[in-house]
Amino acid sequence: DTAVSQTPKYLVTQMGNDKSIKCEQNLGHDTMYWYKQDSKKFLKIMFSYNNKELIINETVPNRFSPKSPDKAHLNLHINSLELGDSAVYFCASSPQGYEQYFGPGTRLTVT
Amino acid sequence: AQTVTQSQPEMSVQEAETVTLSCTYDTSENNYYLFWYKQPPSRQMILVIRQEAYKQQNATENRFSVNFQKAAKSFSLKISDSQLGDTAMYFCAFMKQNSGNTPLVFGKGTRLSVIA
Repeated sequence: DTAVSQTPKYLVTQMGNDKSIKCEQNLGHDTMYWYKQDSKKFLKIMFSYNNKELIINETVPNRFSPKSPDKAHLNLHINSLELGDSAVYFCASSPQGYEQYFGPGTRLTVT
Repeated sequence: AQTVTQSQPEMSVQEAETVTLSCTYDTSENNYYLFWYKQPPSRQMILVIRQEAYKQQNATENRFSVNFQKAAKSFSLKISDSQLGDTAMYFCAFMKQNSGNTPLVFGKGTRLSVIA
């Protein structure tokens, strides 16, 4: 059984398009996160949700909008995609204040 | 703000040998967790080992062990009997300990190659 799943795993799209990445966890965790891994492999937090409530919103362009319909899901919608948005996006979940479990990542390529 | 530094961008080790990856961090917090994550070419992030700052005993998980020096803010990972499957990026990460949710702060990673 997959603990944290993301769809799609690969996403190729053109500049200016709008796209969404979905994340689901079946671990019963309260907290979910989105991280971005750039071309140099550096991982950085983007957003954090706790029980559907936005807790952390790092300095991310407002073209990025997370949505949490319920505790088990955290989706990432990106408007007006730019070349610099190309990266791997990871979803993660954790029980409160403890280690995080990562999804397989979504490689986004903007052409 | 917390920072995590991994000073070795790349390392290599012969199969069956031992290798140590370095990590230092900076924080004013007293209660926190430290982690090592492995990212193989499949890009999946895999937790290797964790250490609670309040524990003096170094964590071990099979062939993986850490040397945690709280005063020096150092958290190195030792891999014994290296195997080809250990080839991966290794990330050191810091997390504040509190009742809420806190994100991981990652170092820039060390690319480890295990050579047959």
